Amino acid sequence: NAGVMQNPRHLVRRRGQEARLRCSPMKGHSHVYWYRQLPEEGLKFMVYLQKENIIDESGMPKERFSAEFPKEGPSILRIQQVVRGDSAAYFCASSPSTGHSSGNTIYFGEGSWLTVV
Amino acid sequence: DAKTTQPPSMDCAEGRAANLPCNHSTISGNEYVYWYRQIHSQGPQYIIHGLKNNETNEMASLIITEDRKSSTLILPHATLRDTAVYYCIVRVVNNAGNMLTFGGGTRLMVKP
Repeated sequence: NAGVMQNPRHLVRRRGQEARLRCSPMKGHSHVYWYRQLPEEGLKFMVYLQKENIIDESGMPKERFSAEFPKEGPSILRIQQVVRGDSAAYFCASSPSTGHSSGNTIYFGEGSWLTVV
Repeated sequence: DAKTTQPPSMDCAEGRAANLPCNHSTISGNEYVYWYRQIHSQGPQYIIHGLKNNETNEMASLIITEDRKSSTLILPHATLRDTAVYYCIVRVVNNAGNMLTFGGGTRLMVKP
């Protein structure tokens, strides 16, 4: 069973460009979470999505950031007009929909490293 | 979710047991204790979780006190590859999913 797949693993963007990060959850998982980790800092929750719905976006910056998890295809985290402060590791995670504790464990991908130059 | 308190750093000799403590004195009855670790430049890795009873898997053991106000993660024979930041997180588990809230964790350094 493949794990959470993120791509690209590394992305370099110039200031003002757009960055798109993709995440394919583990097979059978319908919950997706995005986290950001700034250099030398901790993991910060950004957004939680289920298929076609944003459940909790309390950690998303109000401007330039958006996320989606369409009915078909991967979840996308989109950052418009990137600035140097957006340089960070972005981690995607997924979990199944069941409420049972053993089935609700969240698993993380290896991350996408965004560098804004 | 309840907050947790962990020591910022610990050292352990290679081959010895690493015992990582966590305080969660405000834990609610429906909150589980989860442990993750993050090796440098990698994604967080799930280790183990529990509610009331002690748990063991191929990676570690989790000991939860009877009052559930604290727990200890035990790596029985630490190796250099266990050097990482270890996060103790309490989390409600239900059909709503519920994200993980990471604190500062414990930076475990396994030394030869």
